[in-house]
Amino acid sequence: DIQMTQSPSSLSASLGDRVTITCRASQSISSYLNWYQQKPGTAPKVLIYAASTLQTGVPSRFSGSASGTDFTLTISSLQPEDFATYYCQQSYSGRTFGQGTKVEIK
Amino acid sequence: EVQLVESGGGLVQPGGSLRLSCAASGFTVSSNYMSWVRQTPGKGLEWVSIIYSGGSTYYADSVKGRFTISRDNSKNMLWLQMNSLKAEDTALYYCARSIVAAPTNEDYFDYWGQGTLVTVSS
Repeated sequence: DIQMTQSPSSLSASLGDRVTITCRASQSISSYLNWYQQKPGTAPKVLIYAASTLQTGVPSRFSGSASGTDFTLTISSLQPEDFATYYCQQSYSGRTFGQGTKVEIK
Repeated sequence: EVQLVESGGGLVQPGGSLRLSCAASGFTVSSNYMSWVRQTPGKGLEWVSIIYSGGSTYYADSVKGRFTISRDNSKNMLWLQMNSLKAEDTALYYCARSIVAAPTNEDYFDYWGQGTLVTVSS
C-alpha cells in the first residue's frame, strides 16, 4: 500500500501568514494527489486536485505543487476561514489519506 | 442537486455485522466511482473501499476479507456490508463520490454525505 506522510501535524499561524503543508508519498504517484480542507462537524472539501489544479470556487490563495514524491499545499495569506484541518490524499493506487494538519490561530 | 445520505450505523458488539446504506440523488451511482471513507472521532480520515463504474472493487488492507462494497443500480444506492467487526472499526463512515479529471484521469472526492456513526463495543 502507498503511505502518505504529512507534516506538520499541526501549526499555529497568524492572519496574513504564508502557510506551507507537505505530503510525501512512499512511492511515485505521478500527480495523483489531492488536498482537502475539513472544518469541525463537516465533511472534507476538495481544494486542489491532480497536485496543482485549483477546484472551481476555491480562492486563489490556495495553491499546490509537486516535486517527485513530495507535494506541497500553500496558503499565500491566511484568512479567518482557513483555520481548519487539511489532508492530502493519493488516488494512484487504492486511496490513502495523510494524517492531517491542523491549522490553528496563533 | 447531488446528495448522499448514509444510514445504518449504530452500536454493535465485537464480531458482529452491520450494513451501511448510502442513498444517492442527482446523479447515477453506477456511472461513477463510489467510496466509503471513515473517520475515527477526533482523528484522521481513512479510505475503506471503492467500487468503480465498471464494477471492480478494492479495499483497504485493514478491512479486506471482512467488508464488502456493493451497489444497487435500480435503487441508486451504495452499500457496505461489515462483518467480523472490531473495536478499531468504530468511526464515522462517509459515502463519497469521485469525479475523474480529464484528460489525465486523476480522480478526487467531490461529494460527501454527512456520515453515519458505527460503534463497536461490548
